[in-house]
Amino acid sequence: SQQGEEDPQALSIQEGENATMNCSYKTSINNLQWYRQNSGRGLVHLILIRSNEREKHSGRLRVTLDTSKKSSSLLITASRAADTASYFCASHSGNTPLVFGKGTRLSVIA
Amino acid sequence: GAVVSQHPSRVICKSGTSVKIECRSLDFQATTMFWYRQFPKQSLMLMATSNEGSKATYEQGVEKDKFLINHASLTLSTLTVTSAHPEDSSFYICSARVRQKNTEAFFGQGTRLTVV
Repeated sequence: SQQGEEDPQALSIQEGENATMNCSYKTSINNLQWYRQNSGRGLVHLILIRSNEREKHSGRLRVTLDTSKKSSSLLITASRAADTASYFCASHSGNTPLVFGKGTRLSVIA
Repeated sequence: GAVVSQHPSRVICKSGTSVKIECRSLDFQATTMFWYRQFPKQSLMLMATSNEGSKATYEQGVEKDKFLINHASLTLSTLTVTSAHPEDSSFYICSARVRQKNTEAFFGQGTRLTVV
């Protein structure tokens, strides 16, 4: 069964605005990862945050992790039309496979 | 990052035929590879875990006789969809982790299977 649940399921914003996506999970994890998927394409790894980290930055991306609430957020600042894609959080514990959330479909309007 | 190559990227086959999808780790050894299926506008659902040199572990509801997985080497896993039906049409993605490193997983480009 899927572990992660993202919200919102769909998000539409104007170019230049920030986009925030949230993810919740159910069990303890080693790390949580965010992926991006353009329509009909493979997955691109964006960022990994370990269970002992609270915040991580990578370029225009900012990820937070709250293990007490079993939740994570992905913030994309100064969004661009090219950021239009689906974004998934995924997590695993130990050597288990990645379990994906339902994803957020982000549309950035130029 | 590490590269995972999946082939073919797109395949159309007739109902009742079998299709083989390959997943290769190009620059690292992957003891374990994972196969996912994704229906339109849905998330990735894990189908099975492929372990080099041993039998694959299938998720509940996935028919192991229909989705044959072979992981004969540390760089290659194959998924064969046998006697394909239109309902098997989907996007199949493989994933691999660097051996002995419990970190990020790397994904293939995916295979779009259409059964007509």
